[in-house]
Amino acid sequence: EPEVTQTPSHQVTQMGQEVILRCVPISNHLYFYWYRQILGQKVEFLVSFYNNEISEKSEIFDDQFSVERPDGSNFTLKIRSTKLEDSAMYFCASRAERGLNNEQFFGPGTRLTVL
Amino acid sequence: LAKTTQPISMDSYEGQEVNITCSHNNIATNDYITWYQQFPSQGPRFIIQGYKTKVTNEVASLFIPADRKSSTLSLPRVSLSDTAVYYCLVGTPDSWGKLQFGAGTQVVVTP
Repeated sequence: EPEVTQTPSHQVTQMGQEVILRCVPISNHLYFYWYRQILGQKVEFLVSFYNNEISEKSEIFDDQFSVERPDGSNFTLKIRSTKLEDSAMYFCASRAERGLNNEQFFGPGTRLTVL
Repeated sequence: LAKTTQPISMDSYEGQEVNITCSHNNIATNDYITWYQQFPSQGPRFIIQGYKTKVTNEVASLFIPADRKSSTLSLPRVSLSDTAVYYCLVGTPDSWGKLQFGAGTQVVVTP
């Protein structure tokens, strides 16, 4: 069964450093998403991406964040200058097409720890 | 997006049926009801989606009364591996660009 993959599974970084989280969505999917979940809290939407551009972003997704689909398979989330409060689990998700089916397929997540 | 309310936690024993009710009093005509499941340290996983009456798949059933102001996710004969957080989401196809998760219901299944 096709699945979304994410690398690395765990990233430790120093405050102020740049990190890039990588995702490989399911190959025939058209819509891509990033979510985050701070430990013990709810899953929060960050950004959606379609047709090589951001379609929606949340208030969390400020200028420090960016997304890119550099080739036909990868989807990346970059945090330019990490803060302590960026420590969280980051989930990538993809969806086949817009329509009545609300199924998004989530990856296993990257645990980001900012020291 | 319609606000949803669901119990914070539920406990069950193996083999029992678990029913989680979600209230969504201000659901709109075009809104669908979707349930996701999340195991610890994993991403959420789609379980089921419905608009009205009853929907059943290999994992669960979703019961939606005629007024659609609530819905009930039914997990038949749960096992220990069904211990997870279950989220009820309500929204229209136009809002599918983002999923807005609440706190969910922590279901704990014990032997």
